[in-house]
Amino acid sequence: DAKTTQPPSMDCAEGRAANLPCNHSTISGNEYVYWYRQIHSQGPQYIIHGLKNNETNEMASLIITEDRKSSTLILPHATLRDTAVYYCIVRALPTQGGSEKLVFGKGMKLTVNP
Amino acid sequence: DAGITQSPRHKVTETGTPVTLRCHQTENHRYMYWYRQDPGHGLRLIHYSYGVKDTDKGEVSDGYSVSRSKTEDFLLTLESATSSQTSVYFCASTPQMRGGYTFGSGTRLTVV
Repeated sequence: DAKTTQPPSMDCAEGRAANLPCNHSTISGNEYVYWYRQIHSQGPQYIIHGLKNNETNEMASLIITEDRKSSTLILPHATLRDTAVYYCIVRALPTQGGSEKLVFGKGMKLTVNP
Repeated sequence: DAGITQSPRHKVTETGTPVTLRCHQTENHRYMYWYRQDPGHGLRLIHYSYGVKDTDKGEVSDGYSVSRSKTEDFLLTLESATSSQTSVYFCASTPQMRGGYTFGSGTRLTVV
């Protein structure tokens, strides 16, 4: 699976949009981009995933560049409860009979300030 | 998430004793996983299962074994606990390869 690079931390003001970057310059054509977050002491929470088209759900939007070498997770109106470690993960679907697993990196700490 | 529960939530055990952690999901998910989380290492995959009685090793499987005799249960066993296995353990499940994982709330294990 391709490696991802995220800044170790960033701050955002409450009520503003939080734009979380992720670089995955070695991504392959069959690899998806996944985002998870982990609020302190809780289990990770799935946010969104995409292949090449932009995606939006009730939690966030995912913008993937045309060359797929980077992506941005957008939290449109950040709240204090969005303070968490955010993980950007790239992985391919396994081939027939292969294994299927997520490999987490160290993620990025987002702090939403009042 | 109410669909996946881990037990116990906290456990303190002595070095050399066997320990079993349980993960139970009510979503009929095919795939299940055990991760451990330690400061400075993030989440690391221990073992995973892609169906009943079908399991495989992850990146940090030494000292751990798993069993999955039913779709809903995935057990993680430390045959002889060591202090290096003090960690927070998370279980996860997903119904399909493309889907997001659902994680449990974690088990904090301390080996003294």
